[in-house]
Amino acid sequence: QKEVEQNSGPLSVPEGAIASLNCTYSDRGSQSFFWYRQYSGKSPELIMSIYSNGDKEDGRFTAQLNKASQYVSLLIRDSQPSDSATYLCAVNRDSSASKIIFGSGTRLSIRP
Amino acid sequence: KAGVTQTPRYLIKTRGQQVTLSCSPISGHRSVSWYQQTPGQGLQFLFEYFSETQRNKGNFPGRFSGRQFSNSRSEMNVSTLELGDSALYLCASRISGSYNEQFFGPGTRLTVL
Repeated sequence: QKEVEQNSGPLSVPEGAIASLNCTYSDRGSQSFFWYRQYSGKSPELIMSIYSNGDKEDGRFTAQLNKASQYVSLLIRDSQPSDSATYLCAVNRDSSASKIIFGSGTRLSIRP
Repeated sequence: KAGVTQTPRYLIKTRGQQVTLSCSPISGHRSVSWYQQTPGQGLQFLFEYFSETQRNKGNFPGRFSGRQFSNSRSEMNVSTLELGDSALYLCASRISGSYNEQFFGPGTRLTVL
């Protein structure tokens, strides 16, 4: 079992719809969770961080964390073509801060 | 505030050579991590430095090494390059702790011929 798992996609969503990206992790002791967006040929860009159970909203983005079920998700409302990218889920496994594990990413395509 | 910077942006080397990559973190950030990204393996953690000490290390051979200076700038060295070392090498910095967000630099694209 991979430490951080994501559906590789591609996930195709019509413009204006809600895109839902999911991520599961194996280490129950994981402390912090991050979503990154990566455009082709570019470096990852942090878009959301979440640390406690529940929802966290930032503009069109909502991150959801459920530690009991060991999953974290990202919702993108009113999807735009510019949201087409690979989304990476990242999990900080331990409180000593050092090691962040990345999922393999989900390719999202927003179709006009 | 300036972001994470990496130099050089592109590098072409031949097998057996060595290479040194440089990373300057965001001002005030004391932790620098290095990652290798390839299409087949995704983003893989190399190592993290904090206050000039290696705090954690990924599963890479000893040919991959790094260091951090007192101003938090970091270098990564790869010796005896192999074709499989061709990748995008990313540096990321954060203030220090696990709850701090980590920000990436633009990366160095290394091609080994």
